[in-house]
Amino acid sequence: EDQVTQSPEALRLQEGESSSLNCSYTVSGLRGLFWYRQDPGKGPEFLFTLYSAGEEKEKERLKATLTKKESFLHITAPKPEDSATYLCAVQVGGTYKYIFGTGTRLKVLA
Amino acid sequence: DGGITQSPKYLFRKEGQNVTLSCEQNLNHDAMYWYRQDPGQGLRLIYYSQIVNDFQKGDIAEGYSVSREKKESFPLTVTSAQKNPTAFYLCASESGGEYEQFFGPGTRLTVL
Repeated sequence: EDQVTQSPEALRLQEGESSSLNCSYTVSGLRGLFWYRQDPGKGPEFLFTLYSAGEEKEKERLKATLTKKESFLHITAPKPEDSATYLCAVQVGGTYKYIFGTGTRLKVLA
Repeated sequence: DGGITQSPKYLFRKEGQNVTLSCEQNLNHDAMYWYRQDPGQGLRLIYYSQIVNDFQKGDIAEGYSVSREKKESFPLTVTSAQKNPTAFYLCASESGGEYEQFFGPGTRLTVL
């Protein structure tokens, strides 16, 4: 069964305290893995797309990496404005179907 | 500005009523999607459409209906047959192929 699992469910960090969020997946053929940021009451905002193992993408304090079984979203020296829920999704090969994880709620304290 | 709009932002419905949620995009994307988001659960696919006049059921299509008469528009009707419709509804589009989805701001539906 195609599945995406994110951990931890929630994470509290002090400002400047770097950490990583995990997204593990089992799919019958990965077309792409996507990271989104979602603020409360709003739609998800696209961050990154990763297509193959070993690929990395960076944007400001965020860096996404991909292996054959999981992806990490590394947050370096986070700021309070990085507080949000981070969603991971995979696109199943041969279909237009996307499977989403339940997200990691990140809170960065000043 | 290109993007996806959803309306209304908040919607209240009495039991037994059908309601229609609007989704419009000016990104010239072929594919459009409707998701439902509930607390503690991932986004669940209701319907998706790859091209005009064609759409497919997702994982939780029961109690919902859609139409795709124009490329820009993909309205979702929540019917009285949907047993638990109170949720946050998200519309998304993508250009077709291995591309990211872009989401609208969402509609929060509450059944009174």
